[in-house]
Amino acid sequence: EVQLVESGGGLVQPGGSLRLSCAASGFTFSSYAMSWVRQAPGKGLEWVSGISDSGDSTYYADSVKGRFTISRDNSKNTLYLQMNSLRAEDTAAYYCAKDTIVLVPATMVCWGQGTLVTVSS
Amino acid sequence: DIQMTQSPSSLSASVGDRVTITCQASQDISNFLNWYQQKPGKAVKLLIYDASNLETGVPSRFSGSGSGTDFTFTISSLQPEDIATYYCQQYDNLPLTFGGGTKVEIK
Repeated sequence: EVQLVESGGGLVQPGGSLRLSCAASGFTFSSYAMSWVRQAPGKGLEWVSGISDSGDSTYYADSVKGRFTISRDNSKNTLYLQMNSLRAEDTAAYYCAKDTIVLVPATMVCWGQGTLVTVSS
Repeated sequence: DIQMTQSPSSLSASVGDRVTITCQASQDISNFLNWYQQKPGKAVKLLIYDASNLETGVPSRFSGSGSGTDFTFTISSLQPEDIATYYCQQYDNLPLTFGGGTKVEIK
């Protein structure tokens, strides 16, 4: 059974940093692109970032470009999202998602339950 | 970025009713469109991919159609367990973008 378990969320002050992790199991992690998607309280889904199977290619929404960094460790079956210079508008539940293909994020076939990030002083 | 306009934002229907949600893309996205279901406290679930293909294990009362800029998602006979918010999502271009969501409730 495919499982994605996010961790690392919490309360952080504006301008602070946080690193999210997503532990994957039940599939060959190194064979799929992965994404992070967020959802602000009471709002819809927003794709944040994606990464190819090897980690060689990364993609970002304009709203986080230059502040967030996606990475993966295929030896540990883990996806990461390093979030710097956090703003109040980054407050959201962050979900990791497994794609159906290898290189470019497209169709997110399996999602985690999410981890909550709150940016507030 | 490709904008996805989804309507209605919410609807209320009776058990057994046919429910239809529309999604319009700001430019031609061929059939590069997915539909997802989100229930409170549960993981988001892929229902339809490539505009009209039913994901494995998804009940056949769910269906999708359309191509280009106009797409439709249908529940042929609404069931109590279908109470959720539904999202369309395009993958023709990065960044991936979602519609605003449609909250489906039972009347």
